[in-house]
Amino acid sequence: AAGVIQSPRHLIKEKRETATLKCYPIPRHDTVYWYQQGPGQDPQFLISFYEKMQSDKGSIPDRFSAQQFSDYHSELNMSSLELGDSALYFCASSSWDPRTSTDTQYFGPGTRLTVL
Amino acid sequence: LAKTTQPISMDSYEGQEVNITCSHNNIATNDYITWYQQFPSQGPRFIIQGYKTKVTNEVASLFIPADRKSSTLSLPRVSLSDTAVYYCLVGAPPFNNAGNMLTFGGGTRLMVKP
Repeated sequence: AAGVIQSPRHLIKEKRETATLKCYPIPRHDTVYWYQQGPGQDPQFLISFYEKMQSDKGSIPDRFSAQQFSDYHSELNMSSLELGDSALYFCASSSWDPRTSTDTQYFGPGTRLTVL
Repeated sequence: LAKTTQPISMDSYEGQEVNITCSHNNIATNDYITWYQQFPSQGPRFIIQGYKTKVTNEVASLFIPADRKSSTLSLPRVSLSDTAVYYCLVGAPPFNNAGNMLTFGGGTRLMVKP
């Protein structure tokens, strides 16, 4: 079965640079979520989109922005990168299942961002 | 969001059944219980989800007592490859098809030994 695709898988940037992470959800999934996981930490929710509109917002820095496009893929834009932004960034996607009344999130493999 | 409490770590041996219990005393009427597995440097992987009683799939069982204040993830006959962090999450599905963020808290580090 098709899974969530994230690119790039690894990214190295310098401080104050910008980075763009891409997420391609599972086909027919209309909701995308972004999570950040620092070293030794639990995943932390950043932001989510449903039908190209922002639906929830978590602890996302103002330096970060994201959007969901008409083909449902999403991009997380990160500017003025700081050393503390080094982390794994996961994208997840979901779709409401009326049969079970649930919307299980399925995660991608993640993008490892290293800021030097 | 209901707060969850689960053991920080557990050890087991290959071939044994592992039961990980999660407490969620403040679970709301509409909340579901979901378990994820995460290997190092990989995205969390959905294991099982339930609302009440017992749910079973090809990899695990989820037991939920009548009061729903706790739940137990049961992994039958674990192998070395089951060594991972297991997260218990509690939350309500959206009723308007909007996104529903997951709050990961703690997690149980399961170590399976040969």
